Amino acid sequence: SQTIHQWPATLVQPVGSPLSLECTVEGTSNPNLYWYRQAAGRGLQLLFYSVGIGQISSEVPQNLSASRPQDRQFILSSKKLLLSDSGFYLCAWSVPIDTQYFGPGTRLTVL
Amino acid sequence: GQQVMQIPQYQHVQEGEDFTTYCNSSTTLSNIQWYKQRPGGHPVFLIQLVKSGEVKKQKRLTFQFGEAKKNSSLHITATQTTDVGTYFCAGPEGGGSNYKLTFGKGTLLTVNP
Repeated sequence: SQTIHQWPATLVQPVGSPLSLECTVEGTSNPNLYWYRQAAGRGLQLLFYSVGIGQISSEVPQNLSASRPQDRQFILSSKKLLLSDSGFYLCAWSVPIDTQYFGPGTRLTVL
Repeated sequence: GQQVMQIPQYQHVQEGEDFTTYCNSSTTLSNIQWYKQRPGGHPVFLIQLVKSGEVKKQKRLTFQFGEAKKNSSLHITATQTTDVGTYFCAGPEGGGSNYKLTFGKGTLLTVNP
């Protein structure tokens, strides 16, 4: 069966510090991968998605970036965090043209 | 781009009352999906509707897909405290491998025991 992992579960970072969030998927090959951000009490904002190794599509211009160094690994990064980067970051995977399966998420607080 | 709108944004009910959330898309959808996010948790897939006018049931939950495949609804009969959470609808955008979902902003359901 397929599983999706995200870490860390929670993170508190100072403004201006770098960020690296990791997501890995097990039990499937060549999945589509997605990064979402959810502000408190709000909807899901798609940040990046990837259809294959090294292929990244950006949905929202911002100081975040994403990379997919391996088939089942998706990384969200920032060189300098802003206060507005705080939120709940969710990774998801799907087989193309199918439902999405979300990881447990990372709660990021930027102080 | 495609827009998916959900109403209401919030709904508070007494346990045992019914609940309905509505979803409308700016474009015709090939399918519509519903997800539930419990407080503090992550979205979990509930169901996918594909056919025009389709109705599916999961115990006390009834999902409908409109005839024009642009709207959908989720109805919960006799709510329970376990129904608490945010319900999202989502419609696919893009074709082939460039596939992503456009999510509505969700309806937060709270249930008073």
